[in-house]
Amino acid sequence: GAGVSQSPRYKVAKRGQDVALRCDPISGHVSLFWYQQALGQGPEFLTYFQNEAQLDKSGLPSDRFFAERPEGSVSTLKIQRTQQEDSAVYLCASSLTGTLNFGEGSWLTVV
Amino acid sequence: GESVGLHLPTLSVQEGDNSIINCAYSNSASDYFIWYKQESGKGPQFIIDIRSNMDKRQGQRVTVLLNKTVKHLSLQIAATQPGDSAVYFCAEAGQRTSYDKVIFGPGTSLSVIP
Repeated sequence: GAGVSQSPRYKVAKRGQDVALRCDPISGHVSLFWYQQALGQGPEFLTYFQNEAQLDKSGLPSDRFFAERPEGSVSTLKIQRTQQEDSAVYLCASSLTGTLNFGEGSWLTVV
Repeated sequence: GESVGLHLPTLSVQEGDNSIINCAYSNSASDYFIWYKQESGKGPQFIIDIRSNMDKRQGQRVTVLLNKTVKHLSLQIAATQPGDSAVYFCAEAGQRTSYDKVIFGPGTSLSVIP
């Protein structure tokens, strides 16, 4: 597609539920990033992939957060046993030359 | 840890005036600085970037200024239009490659008064 696509756009989860957020990057983009953005804040780095290799996961807030990109294209961010503090927008970005191209985000609300 | 931050969280300007959004950064090792615009309900959109070996760069209606001595970055928008209303983030990275994570500041909300 023309841009980065994320799904679902909106997700309401009950506390304790597991969620999976999908990112389809721009075709051919080697790098893929996940960011978390709380209301009124700037995006916070979560993790980074180069092709299928997860090279940096230093921003993942806990072991409940897991990301994968098994074939070097589509990526999934999984959050296990969701908590209220996980409520945020989860942004995916892909890059070929250094400029980040962001998707519109997945809005997660944990109730 | 090192971070990027903004002086002003909100800014209101009259349509047609120039806007200046400021940003302070603390990581002197950063080589690459970027401004993003984020409209409500959308992801951040690249506006303009600058390397640390430059002090000024111009785009269409936008100019980025970098003062490494005081670790200050600014975004100037000429003839501000209603469509410029958004949240603006400065961000920094160690280098401009596709393999370097970008660290964002907290953002400034720009409101354009018609």
